Amino acid sequence: DTGVSQNPRHKITKRGQNVTFRCDPISEHNRLYWYRQTLGQGPEFLTYFQNEAQLEKSRLLSDRFSAERPKGSFSTLEIQRTEQGDSAMYLCASSSDGVSTDTQYFGPGTRLTVL
Amino acid sequence: QQPVQSPQAVILREGEDAVINCSSSKALYSVHWYRQKHGEAPVFLMILLKGGEQKGHEKISASFNEKKQQSSLYLTASQLSYSGTYFCGTEISSGDYKLSFGAGTTVTVRA
Repeated sequence: DTGVSQNPRHKITKRGQNVTFRCDPISEHNRLYWYRQTLGQGPEFLTYFQNEAQLEKSRLLSDRFSAERPKGSFSTLEIQRTEQGDSAMYLCASSSDGVSTDTQYFGPGTRLTVL
Repeated sequence: QQPVQSPQAVILREGEDAVINCSSSKALYSVHWYRQKHGEAPVFLMILLKGGEQKGHEKISASFNEKKQQSSLYLTASQLSYSGTYFCGTEISSGDYKLSFGAGTTVTVRA
């Protein structure tokens, strides 16, 4: 049983460029989450999917961010016109229907550095 | 609104105990505890649901006090492997799913 995988693990880009990250959830997990984590802070919720439907987006998420989950399997997170403030670790998590709540399992993250 | 964790950091010798607190200004449905080591993904420890139950994972246990909107994580007889940053993630209502995380408590266990 493989865990959540994310690619690339590291991305360095210049300000103004577009970047795309990929997340492959645990097989058969129907929910997929994106979080952002900066140094010294806990993960901050960005958005989540149930199957292929994007059910919620954080109000903090700028229009430059977009996420997709075609066919309810892997997901991509795109950041357009990157800014230095976008530098962070982008974490993906997945979960399946729990009895009362879900356990979210995190991937290793993609560390983005915007120069 | 993210929960508040205390203390920010704690240093222990092997075999010592510690308590990490997670407090919210809002009523909570569930509290999820994770441990993250430097450069790695957060690793799930346990979930506590509204109802005040206490759970355990080896010598790590936790409680949830609904009235105080607070959860506590207990590290008992700490081991070197317990070092890392502990985060609590809170869920406001059933079906909310998204978690709000505290800033973390860094635990260092020394031999």
